[in-house]
Amino acid sequence: ILNVEQSPQSLHVQEGDSTNFTCSFPSSNFYALHWYRWETAKSPEALFVMTLNGDEKKKGRISATLNTKEGYSYLYIKGSQPEDSATYLCATKGNSGYSTLTFGKGTMLLVSP
Amino acid sequence: EPEVTQTPSHQVTQMGQEVILRCVPISNHLYFYWYRQILGQKVEFLVSFYNNEISEKSEIFDDQFSVERPDGSNFTLKIRSTKLEDSAMYFCASSVGRREDGYTFGSGTRLTVV
Repeated sequence: ILNVEQSPQSLHVQEGDSTNFTCSFPSSNFYALHWYRWETAKSPEALFVMTLNGDEKKKGRISATLNTKEGYSYLYIKGSQPEDSATYLCATKGNSGYSTLTFGKGTMLLVSP
Repeated sequence: EPEVTQTPSHQVTQMGQEVILRCVPISNHLYFYWYRQILGQKVEFLVSFYNNEISEKSEIFDDQFSVERPDGSNFTLKIRSTKLEDSAMYFCASSVGRREDGYTFGSGTRLTVV
């Protein structure tokens, strides 16, 4: 079973601030890393799926990086907006595509106007 | 955009009763999953389903749990005799199965066992 850790557990920033979260995971047997955005009362929404060491992906103001050798991924939000308020979940798959997706506990972000 | 739909959104049941949680995955997806989140805890894997059979299950998925895809569209999770500790948000998800694809989650069923 993979142990996926996310930090910080929660974060409160002001509108316009840039922020970042960390996801750490065992570096052995890496297959893929997923980031999800989960708003209250909605379903988790896939942001990024990353598979290669050194991957960088971007979607609007949100971007993510991946280091599979040291076992971490960063999620960055540039110029946070109130609508970015959500829980951001990281999850990894090990060994192969047939292994389960193991989630971290998430980082809860609150952006105040 | 295609969605995974789950019904009901909330279910309250008495301890010992059977519950069936229903999901309609995205039609061209091949892999189906159930996860749950107990309040304040991590999202936990329960079971994955591919080609009409369970491909993997966790320790949580004991004999009280079962899944089936009765008609090629619905994907159900049955809990035979609910316990208080089964109270959680249950999420269904589906995926195409390629390495670069994320999962599409439903909005969940909040199960409360009293």
